[in-house]
Amino acid sequence: DVKVTQSSRYLVKRTGEKVFLECVQDMDHENMFWYRQDPGLGLRLIYFSYDVKMKEKGDIPEGYSVSREKKERFSLILESASTNQTSMYLCASRSGDRAAHEQYFGPGTRLTVT
Amino acid sequence: GDSVTQMEGPVTLSEEAFLTINCTYTATGYPSLFWYVQYPGEGLQLLLKATKADDKGSNKGFEATYRKETTSFHLEKGSVQVSDSAVYFCALSDKGGRSYKLIFGSGTRLLVRP
Repeated sequence: DVKVTQSSRYLVKRTGEKVFLECVQDMDHENMFWYRQDPGLGLRLIYFSYDVKMKEKGDIPEGYSVSREKKERFSLILESASTNQTSMYLCASRSGDRAAHEQYFGPGTRLTVT
Repeated sequence: GDSVTQMEGPVTLSEEAFLTINCTYTATGYPSLFWYVQYPGEGLQLLLKATKADDKGSNKGFEATYRKETTSFHLEKGSVQVSDSAVYFCALSDKGGRSYKLIFGSGTRLLVRP
């Protein structure tokens, strides 16, 4: 079974802190994604990576950056956390690049910024 | 750009009732279509998919047919169970940049009462 794990299920940080969210997948997938999930808005793509050290902006990249130094690990960084970044963050991975390929999701990290 | 619209919830049903969750999409090409499900406290998992017009995806008693003429992919189940209580997301696969990405609807919460 494909497994996508995220470093924390719940996280509480203060405004202005630098926050790291880690995601690891164990199936050698080329593609990895970070989403945020908010009620009534569904999932919105923040960033994705299609190879080690390669990344592209998604729909809402402002206030975030990412790092992919190893194929299995994709990190989301909040340079200076703000209260409007309080959300559920979901990581996903996918093999190959076909429209029909499934994305596999981690359990999510619920981040609260106070 | 491409988009997905799904019915607002919550949808509350009694056990063994018939379920329909409406989903319509806007796309310039011929996307693949997906239904993902999120059980409480978990990440998303693929429920079913369809890759071309008139395809029917099915899994765990759920079905959805790719209707190009009405740009719809409605989710149905003949007899829901309490264990089907979850949030359901309709999504399409969109080629943007270097990789296919998923565009999600806002999600529909289903609550099934005994």
